[in-house]
Amino acid sequence: GQSLEQPSEVTAVEGAIVQINCTYQTSGFYGLSWYQQHDGGAPTFLSYNALDGLEETGRFSSFLSRSDSYGYLLLQELQMKDSASYFCAPSMDSSYKLIFGSGTRLLVRP
Amino acid sequence: GAGVSQSPSNKVTEKGKDVELRCDPISGHTALYWYRQSLGQGLEFLIYFQGNSAPDKSGLPSDRFSAERTGGSVSTLTIQRTQQEDSAVYLCASSYRQGSSYEQYFGPGTRLTVT
Repeated sequence: GQSLEQPSEVTAVEGAIVQINCTYQTSGFYGLSWYQQHDGGAPTFLSYNALDGLEETGRFSSFLSRSDSYGYLLLQELQMKDSASYFCAPSMDSSYKLIFGSGTRLLVRP
Repeated sequence: GAGVSQSPSNKVTEKGKDVELRCDPISGHTALYWYRQSLGQGLEFLIYFQGNSAPDKSGLPSDRFSAERTGGSVSTLTIQRTQQEDSAVYLCASSYRQGSSYEQYFGPGTRLTVT
């Protein structure tokens, strides 16, 4: 079977740093994507890791450890607009079809 | 340029009726995906098209669901004999199969309500 674990909710203060962890169990693994979704909006791509290590894109960084089936998304210098749901989504093959869990709802407070 | 578009944005239908949902991917994108999202949940993969290859239908929940992609561009998802559990937001995404092909661009979705 396949499973994904992320915290359901995280609260942080504006300007702070927050880390959203993700553990996955899939029958195959090709890479790990992260998507952001605001309420009522469509998911938007944030980051992708195919290899172990850290990928940095502006205020967002994503980390992957294939041996641990673990990744995280790091958001720095939090802004109010970062309040949204964040999904880690592994893909099992080169089709890149994504497996989503229930996501992590991030609330940024002033 | 234009993003992924979907129509209709909202659809209310009676149980037992058939519905068709349309997706126009970004021009030049050869990969197209359908997902659905129930309220407060993550996305569930339904079907994947890549160029002229046979589609990956492994996510379709029942034989009431089908999809086609004409001319390698527009796609239609059809749900026959709709049931209340089909109520969800249906999202389409496309990607370019070269370079950063892992990045999927999502449309705004079609909210389907079955009464």
